[in-house]
Amino acid sequence: DAEITQSPRHKITETGRQVTLACHQTWNHNNMFWYRQDLGHGLRLIHYSYGVQDTNKGEVSDGYSVSRSNTEDLPLTLESAASSQTSVYFCASSEPGPGEQFFGPGTRLTVL
Amino acid sequence: GNSVTQMEGPVTLSEEAFLTINCTYTATGYPSLFWYVQYPGEGLQLLLKATKADDKGSNKGFEATYRKETTSFHLEKGSVQVSDSAVYFCALKDRSSGGYQKVTFGTGTKLQVIP
Repeated sequence: DAEITQSPRHKITETGRQVTLACHQTWNHNNMFWYRQDLGHGLRLIHYSYGVQDTNKGEVSDGYSVSRSNTEDLPLTLESAASSQTSVYFCASSEPGPGEQFFGPGTRLTVL
Repeated sequence: GNSVTQMEGPVTLSEEAFLTINCTYTATGYPSLFWYVQYPGEGLQLLLKATKADDKGSNKGFEATYRKETTSFHLEKGSVQVSDSAVYFCALKDRSSGGYQKVTFGTGTKLQVIP
């Protein structure tokens, strides 16, 4: 069965370190998205991609970057982790059109 | 821009009670509407959807009807179970969001069902 996987599932890091969260999907979807989920804010879009070599900023992109070198993967990098980036991160994918997004299980990141 | 407003939680119900979670939306086009459910420690998963006015989405005893005249997509279930305890998100997708590309989510409503 097709799926989206995220790794690691839990990560603790220190302020100032670079961190990369992995997202891999086997749906063969063109569109991939990164969200963060925080209490009181729901889901907020960080970055998204509509295909290989395409990346776009979402509403909370400062301090984050992504790259898309193939269809299956969209890694999210925190260039210099800050305590404000402690959150649960979700990756999602979809095809263009009115259908739903499919979500990964999430990565809980703690920045100390 | 697009927006989704859903009722504040948490909602606490006794088992077998009737559930309604209100959702209203603002969109420039003719959106697709979704309800997602998030169980503790998991990602979001699609619960049901509707792609045009008057469509009714249904799954696992949950229902929601796409009401264009009231711009609403309220989630209902006739008899909730403890296993329905989760966070529920209303969401939409329409042409203005990059041509049905991005999803606009509500802030989520936490449901707790007690035995």
